[in-house]
Amino acid sequence: EDQVTQSPEALRLQEGESSSLNCSYTVSGLRGLFWYRQDPGKGPEFLFTLYSAGEEKEKERLKATLTKKESFLHITAPKPEDSATYLCAVHNAGGTSYGKLTFGQGTILTVHP
Amino acid sequence: DAGITQSPRHKVTETGTPVTLRCHQTENHRYMYWYRQDPGHGLRLIHYSYGVKDTDKGEVSDGYSVSRSKTEDFLLTLESATSSQTSVYFCAISSNGQGAGDTQYFGPGTRLTVL
Repeated sequence: EDQVTQSPEALRLQEGESSSLNCSYTVSGLRGLFWYRQDPGKGPEFLFTLYSAGEEKEKERLKATLTKKESFLHITAPKPEDSATYLCAVHNAGGTSYGKLTFGQGTILTVHP
Repeated sequence: DAGITQSPRHKVTETGTPVTLRCHQTENHRYMYWYRQDPGHGLRLIHYSYGVKDTDKGEVSDGYSVSRSKTEDFLLTLESATSSQTSVYFCAISSNGQGAGDTQYFGPGTRLTVL
């Protein structure tokens, strides 16, 4: 069974204080690892897809990396507007479930000015 | 933003009543999904569709049914709502399903409360 564990559950940062969020996963065949951002009362917003170990992607202050067992979302010099819940999900290459994503429970990030 | 709308956005209903939630997309994507999001459980797949009239169960499908008569619409029905179905429901769409490179895009959600 696919499993995704995100840590920490919550993270409080001061504006400008860089940090990382972790996503550990167990999947029989990884077709893709996804990062989403979710603001309160809204649907998840797509950020990145990573496909193979060693891959990295960047967007503004965010950088996602992938190893065979985990992914990190690095946040450089965060701003208050980066406050949100960040969700990680894995897509299993096997089985018959089309596009089945297994989600972690998310990390709630709060950035104080 | 992906062209996905959900209706209603909020609904309060009583135990035992039927409820239908609607997801409408303007992207002409083949695949559509219904998830529920609950504290402590994250997002869980209820049902999905891989084409008109083609649907299948997800991991938490008991008590739910779906229908897709047109590419753009995917309906989720609670035949007899229970308090355990109080949740936030999200619709998602994707163009490629199992294919590599596929991404699921989510709608704004429907908050359902069953009293």
